[in-house]
Amino acid sequence: DADVTQTPRNRITKTGKRIMLECSQTKGHDRMYWYRQDPGLGLRLIYYSFDVKDINKGEISDGYSVSRQAQAKFSLSLESAIPNQTALYFCATSDTTGRADTQYFGPGTRLTVL
Amino acid sequence: AQSVTQLDSQVPVFEEAPVELRCNYSSSVSVYLFWYVQYPNQGLQLLLKYLSGSTLVKGINGFEAEFNKSQTSFHLRKPSVHISDTAEYFCAVSERGGSNYKLTFGKGTLLTVNP
Repeated sequence: DADVTQTPRNRITKTGKRIMLECSQTKGHDRMYWYRQDPGLGLRLIYYSFDVKDINKGEISDGYSVSRQAQAKFSLSLESAIPNQTALYFCATSDTTGRADTQYFGPGTRLTVL
Repeated sequence: AQSVTQLDSQVPVFEEAPVELRCNYSSSVSVYLFWYVQYPNQGLQLLLKYLSGSTLVKGINGFEAEFNKSQTSFHLRKPSVHISDTAEYFCAVSERGGSNYKLTFGKGTLLTVNP
C-alpha cells in the first residue's frame, strides 16, 4: 500500500464550485504539505502544517484553504474554483527525526477547472 | 531566500549514452540538496540527497550527483541511460537549520531517452 495517498486522482469541475482534495499518510510523519505543479514552473508550496494545530501559508495560498483533521490527514479546499487553478496538486509529508526534512510525495490529483 | 536553476528544460539522449542534468542553486546559508524524479503520470520520487560528507552522492537506478560548493552546483549524472529513465527530473534545495522544511524546486528537466 502507498504511504501517501490522494483522492480523487482526477477531477473536472466548473468555475465557482467548491472542491476538496484529500491526503492521507501512513508514514507517521508530523509535517504535511500541499504543492501545485504547473508545466514549466516546477512545484510551488501552497500550505504546510507541522502538526494538527500548526498551519502555515506557503508562497501561493490565495484562493486556497486547508484543514488538518488528524496527524494523518490534510485536506486542501478551493472555495470557489477558477480556471487558473487548473493544475496537478501534490501532497507531501516529512518527519523531523533527521537533519533534513526529506519530503515524500503522493501520486497527485489532476484538477481541471472549466 | 534560496533559488534553483535547472539549466536545461529538455535533454534528449539515445539509449546507453551518458547523461548529465545540470542544477545550480543560490543561497545565503548552507543547504541540503535533492534530486527527485517524476515518471509519466506519477508523483515525485526521491532519487538522491546530499546532506553532508562525501560530495559524490549515489542514488537509486544508477544515478549519482556531485555537490560542488564553489560552483554552487549539484549536477545529476548517469553513465548509461535506459528507455525507462525517460521522466522529468527536479532539483531542490532546503536551508540547513530551522527552515529546513522549506523545499525550493527548480522548474524541471525533461529527459527523453530514445532507442
